[in-house]
Amino acid sequence: AQSVAQPEDQVNVAEGNPLTVKCTYSVSGNPYLFWYVQYPNRGLQFLLKYITGDNLVKGSYGFEAEFNKSQTSFHLKKPSALVSDSALYFCAVRDENAGNNRKLIWGLGTSLAVNP
Amino acid sequence: AAGVIQSPRHLIKEKRETATLKCYPIPRHDTVYWYQQGPGQDPQFLISFYEKMQSDKGSIPDRFSAQQFSDYHSELNMSSLELGDSALYFCASSLGGDIVEYFGPGTRLTVT
Repeated sequence: AQSVAQPEDQVNVAEGNPLTVKCTYSVSGNPYLFWYVQYPNRGLQFLLKYITGDNLVKGSYGFEAEFNKSQTSFHLKKPSALVSDSALYFCAVRDENAGNNRKLIWGLGTSLAVNP
Repeated sequence: AAGVIQSPRHLIKEKRETATLKCYPIPRHDTVYWYQQGPGQDPQFLISFYEKMQSDKGSIPDRFSAQQFSDYHSELNMSSLELGDSALYFCASSLGGDIVEYFGPGTRLTVT
């Protein structure tokens, strides 16, 4: 069965430090992987995706994510965190073999708090 | 750039009432998805439409129905509302072969 795990409910980092938000997945075929960010009382904003190709994907707002097939992971990273990065981050996956089943499978979210 | 538009942004209804949520996808997008997000929860997929046909169905209650119209906008109709239906309802859209879903700002439904 398809699934996504975000093992950390909350991540705290100091401003200027690097941040990592973890995500692991399970699909039967090749994964399509996504990160979205949600600010309080706002919709989900697309950050980046991995379909194929380079394992390091660069996205919006200086975020990047590294696809690791052997570890079935897609961790979100940023070299230097900003207080404005504080938000809820969701990892999602779609199975390449899903055919017409177009729905995303979501992780439970990780709350990122960047302290000044 | 134009984004997904949802209306209303906030809605307060009483138990057993009905509600209709509207979603206007990004221009030229042909696929619409509906999600329900409870407090502190991940989005729960409800239903999706591609080219005005239902393409996938998730955890949508039988009390709810949805459709996509000829102009690609979509409406989620909710009847016999229950307190547990209080949530954020998101619509997302995508263009056919693009697998990225772009989300609207959501409608916050409160059932009292």
